[in-house]
Amino acid sequence: ELKVEQNPLFLSMQEGKNYTIYCNYSTTSDRLYWYRQDPGKSLESLFVLLSNGAVKQEGRLMASLDTKARLSTLHITAAVHDLSATYFCAVEMNGGSQGNLIFGKGTKLSVKP
Amino acid sequence: NAGVTQTPKFRVLKTGQSMTLLCAQDMNHEYMYWYRQDPGMGLRLIHYSVGEGTTAKGEVPDGYNVSRLKKQNFLLGLESAAPSQTSVYFCASSRPDWRYGYTFGSGTRLTVV
Repeated sequence: ELKVEQNPLFLSMQEGKNYTIYCNYSTTSDRLYWYRQDPGKSLESLFVLLSNGAVKQEGRLMASLDTKARLSTLHITAAVHDLSATYFCAVEMNGGSQGNLIFGKGTKLSVKP
Repeated sequence: NAGVTQTPKFRVLKTGQSMTLLCAQDMNHEYMYWYRQDPGMGLRLIHYSVGEGTTAKGEVPDGYNVSRLKKQNFLLGLESAAPSQTSVYFCASSRPDWRYGYTFGSGTRLTVV
């Protein structure tokens, strides 16, 4: 059974600071996704990571994937209030059916002035 | 280009009532999915479809049925609603290639009393 664990689950940051959210998963996968969700809204796709060593950056967010360690990180640089949201990682098991994403519980990020 | 559209956005049902949630996508995606999201958790896959006329069970299919009569539509039915089905339901669609990720609808908030 594939399990996905995110930590921390809650994160309060000051503007301008850096931090990393971690996503660990329990079985072999080389397909990992990061999503952002604002309260009451849908999921917005941030990054699609498809191979070991993949690194993608968009603005103040950078995501990486280490399939050997079964770990993905979402790094936040110089946080701003607009980044306040809940961030989910989701993993698709190798050999599993497409769309059977296993989600972490999410990291609720609050960026304060 | 509307993307993925879900109707209704909100609904309150009494225990034992039935209803159908509609998902429509205009991106000509082959694959469509229904997820549910419960408080403090990530999304869980209910059912999915890899093409018109085909459906398959996901992680939590009990109590739900689906139909994909047209490529652009994916219906989720609750035959006899239970309070445990109180949740936010998200529809998503994708190409048959995980490199492009998934597009989610805005969600349906369902309360069963």
